[in-house]
Order: sequence, then structure tokens, then C-alpha cells
Amino acid sequence: QVQLVESGGGVVQPGGSLRLSCATSGFSFSTHGMHWVRQAPGKGLEWMAFRPNHESAEYYAYADSVKGRFTASTDSSKNTLYLQMNSLTTEDTAVYYCARDRYGGNSGGLDIWGQGTMVTVSS
Amino acid sequence: QSALTQPASVSGSPGQSITISCTGTSSDVGAFKYVSWYQHPPGKVPKLIIYEVNNRPSGVSNRFSGSKSGNTASLTISGLQAEDEADYYCTSYTRRSTLVFGGGTKVTVL
Repeated sequence: QVQLVESGGGVVQPGGSLRLSCATSGFSFSTHGMHWVRQAPGKGLEWMAFRPNHESAEYYAYADSVKGRFTASTDSSKNTLYLQMNSLTTEDTAVYYCARDRYGGNSGGLDIWGQGTMVTVSS
Repeated sequence: QSALTQPASVSGSPGQSITISCTGTSSDVGAFKYVSWYQHPPGKVPKLIIYEVNNRPSGVSNRFSGSKSGNTASLTISGLQAEDEADYYCTSYTRRSTLVFGGGTKVTVL
């Protein structure tokens, strides 16, 4: 059974950091690209970051709103995707989803989604 | 990267057909075949319903169809059903190797 399970969400103060995890199972983690997408309360979906099937960091991609603050990474031995979030602001409050791309590259066809983890940035 | 433009809401009666537009630019929608559509019911996880402009994943109803002309992509839902009530989002790959979502469209079945 293909499954994505996010964890690591919580409440953090402005300026703080948080690391989200996305544990995957049921498919070849190294074959597919992986994405992070978020949804702020009352807002639409917003794409955050992409990790291609090969792990060369130069091919990772980020939205302008988080570039330089958020970093995606992986632990292939654990089939897990991470999102390190630094310098958080209240604007980063959202449900964060990880999602699998149908392909190894960034096709935008996100066919499997996790349940999401809530991040609240508040003092 | 600006969000793709979608109408805020679209409604229709059961059995009718509705179309949701998704307007981008020559740097995203107009440049690539990588346009996807997602159905996001309240309280649930987004579901891929169209990929690469007009392809349906296995298990998705053939009442959903996609198309593209120039910088605008469209999602058509035919034979509208109560279960189709949800928010719908388009995405496109961009020349900057990123993805961009549309602002979302709330579909209401009257």
C-alpha cells in the first residue's frame, strides 16, 4: 500500500525553526520526485518545494516565498523526505502536505498525498 | 511566481456540465504539457484528477476532462453530481523549473 505520513508539525514562535518529516512506504522512493505543498487557513494550495528522483541538490526547486529559508532533503535509507523550515513567520502557518510526483522529474502530477501536518507560527 | 488565475466559484445543477478555466502565461501553462488538476473536498486530502493537460489517472471518472488552448487550461465536469462539490485547483510546471498552483475554484452543486 502506497503511503505518505507527515510528522513534525506543531507550534513555534516567529523566527524559530521546525523540521517536518514525510515517511514513505509501498513504492520505490528513489524513482519518484517528491513535493511539499501547504495550505494556510482559509487559503488555497501553495507549492513549496520539489526533490527530484536523483538526489543532486542543484535540481531541487523552491517557491520564491521560502527560498533561502526552507530546505528539502532526504534519507534514502529510511525512505523519508524532510523539510527544514527556518526563520518562520506567521505567514508560514499552514497545513503542510508531502506528495509524490508521478514521475522522477517535476511533472506536477502529484498522485499520492499525505494527510498533512499542521504548523502554527505564533508568539 | 504569480498564481494561475481561476474563477473563485462555479455552480451548476445535477446533470449539467461546468467548465473551470485556469489562465497562466507563456512561461507556464502556455509553455508546457505539464498542467494538472486536483479535487480537494473539505477536510480531505487533494486528489489528482487530470495530469498532462488531458490524462486521467486510473480510477478517476471519465466525467472529468481537461484541455488547453494557448495560456489557458480548462477542466470540464460533465453530468455534475453532488459528490463533485469541492475546491478544484490547477497547477503548471514553469520555465523556472517550479510549480505554480491556481487560486482554486469552489464548485457548488445546486
